[in-house]
Amino acid sequence: GEQVEQRPPHLSVREGDSAVIICTYTDPNSYYFFWYKQEPGAGLQLLMKVFSSTEINEGQGFTVLLNKKDKQLSLNLTAAHPGDSAVYFCAVSPDTNAYKVIFGKGTHLHVLP
Amino acid sequence: EAAVTQSPRNKVTVTGGNVTLSCRQTNSHNYMYWYRQDTGHGLRLIHYSYGAGNLQIGDVPDGYKATRTTQEDFFLLLELASPSQTSLYFCASSAGNYAEQFFGPGTRLTVL
Repeated sequence: GEQVEQRPPHLSVREGDSAVIICTYTDPNSYYFFWYKQEPGAGLQLLMKVFSSTEINEGQGFTVLLNKKDKQLSLNLTAAHPGDSAVYFCAVSPDTNAYKVIFGKGTHLHVLP
Repeated sequence: EAAVTQSPRNKVTVTGGNVTLSCRQTNSHNYMYWYRQDTGHGLRLIHYSYGAGNLQIGDVPDGYKATRTTQEDFFLLLELASPSQTSLYFCASSAGNYAEQFFGPGTRLTVL
């Protein structure tokens, strides 16, 4: 079945620097991809939902890239600030079951002032 | 108003104890999910449901039962709790097909 690898597990950057988190998936037929943010003591909140036909998706302060050839999804925070400190998860909806998602193991991002 | 709520938020029990975790959603979603979150493993799916009375087995179901009594309410039952079930448990709901999931705030369970 679908497997999702996320890296790095921990990331520290200075305020204003960029931060990149990468997920690699195995099922080439996966349709939907998600990035979630988990702040301390809270549940996961959706950052962005990406459909397989769109390669570049821009949010507020971040960009999500989907490289279907390499089966890679990335989250790029362009100018990180301390409020971005959180755990970030990618998730992939596999072709075999549209009602489930497979989560990466998460990246703990720490933005230093 | 929070759309997915969980209770209790914290629970401590002993080995062999009986625990019920509750989840309620007001999103009118058909799908509900129970996950556990552990360091080094991310989120792992325990059980999910697509409607009242329905139950689907997730990826790590051993030691857990679940019951969906209404569209809004989904319960996770640990009938003989073990220390390996010490974890942070999340409930989520979604509209279904390829839809994003909405998460509750989590329940931290400690089994001594």
